[in-house]
Parts: sequence; C-alpha cells; structure tokens
Amino acid sequence: KAGVTQTPRYLIKTRGQQVTLSCSPISGHRSVSWYQQTPGQGLQFLFEYFSETQRNKGNFPGRFSGRQFSNSRSEMNVSTLELGDSALYLCASSQPAPGSQETQYFGPGTRLLVL
Amino acid sequence: AQSVSQHNHHVILSEAASLELGCNYSYGGTVNLFWYVQYPGQHLQLLLKYFSGDPLVKGIKGFEAEFIKSKFSFNLRKPSVQWSDTAEYFCAVRNTGGFKTIFGAGTRLFVKA
Repeated sequence: KAGVTQTPRYLIKTRGQQVTLSCSPISGHRSVSWYQQTPGQGLQFLFEYFSETQRNKGNFPGRFSGRQFSNSRSEMNVSTLELGDSALYLCASSQPAPGSQETQYFGPGTRLLVL
Repeated sequence: AQSVSQHNHHVILSEAASLELGCNYSYGGTVNLFWYVQYPGQHLQLLLKYFSGDPLVKGIKGFEAEFIKSKFSFNLRKPSVQWSDTAEYFCAVRNTGGFKTIFGAGTRLFVKA
C-alpha cells in the first residue's frame, strides 16, 4: 500500500498570505489528523477528521482550519500567515477502531516557511 | 488537560550502551500508548504501541516499552544501542473515546560510534 502523501513538500509564503496543504491518507484509512511540528513546541495537535466531520480540535487560532472530503483526502488552510506559522505540518491517517485503538501513520510533512 | 512528559531532551550514548527513555502522562482514564521515532530526514515511524494486555510490549529494531499504570509511565528501552539508532523519539498518548493524540516534546538520541 502507498503511504500517506502530502503536497506540496515545501512552501514559501509571506506574512498575510494564506496557504492550503493537502493530505491523501493510506487507502482504506478514513481518519486524518494534522499536527504542527516546530523545534520549540514539538508536535502540536491541530485537528482530527473522520467521515468528513471534525472530531476534535487543538488549541490553535481560528486562522487554522481544515476539511475532509468524501474520499478521505484532507486539506488544511492557514489564513493571514504569521512568521510563527513556519513549521513542518504533518498529516497522519488511521483506521478508526473501538476504544480509540487505532494506529496513526504519518506522511513526510509539508515544510512551510513564512517570510 | 492531558499532557505527556519526556524526561530527557537530549541523550548521548556510546554504541552498545543500554537505553531507557522516560515518558509520563497525565490522564486518569484508559489510554493507548505509542512510541514513534523520527530518523534524520525521514518520516515519523511507529516503534511500538500498547493497547491492552501484557504491559511489556516489544517493537521493531529491538526496542521494548513497559506500561506501569500506577506510575502513569511508558518508558522505552533497548539493551544495546547502535549508531543507527540516532534519531528523535516521541512518546504519544491517546485516551480511549477521545479523538486526539498528544505527543511528548521528544528526546534526541545521539549514539557515538
């Protein structure tokens, strides 16, 4: 099976712009989660989607949003970019299971640099 | 709020030394526990996981971890590290019924050849 794919892999934007990142989960996986990884903060949970519904959201401002499509592919959007949004954005997919006993598999990430 | 604490930010070992990386979490309910590894320039990969049953779980590349419920801990161990184990290691916790996985800050391991 192909792994989680994320596009683009690298992105440079300027402050105030907006950006959309894309994630294609492993075939058959219906849950997608997004994380922001920075050297200072580690992996911070952004949101989790299942069947086009957001199941949970982390403590990020409203500038961060996401969605999931009927084919389980997901996008996240960051509007009005700030310098502090520079990070590696990771997507993970999983197959939901009872008791949340699901294993997340990660993509390579999109490295965003905001100038 | 749920949190995960990894005791060491950086660890330096010589080859063949034993490794133990600490991980503690704060959550009173039932949890699912994971260790992930990120080798330089590579994706996060699953090392091992604990859902239920035997609290001593074995993963890939000779790693194991022990879940001690009374201590809210899930420490990672390897009897003899290799230079190729140089990487960053992340502990993660997902509470049952929750839809959120919380990661620790990570431990950077450097193994000297």
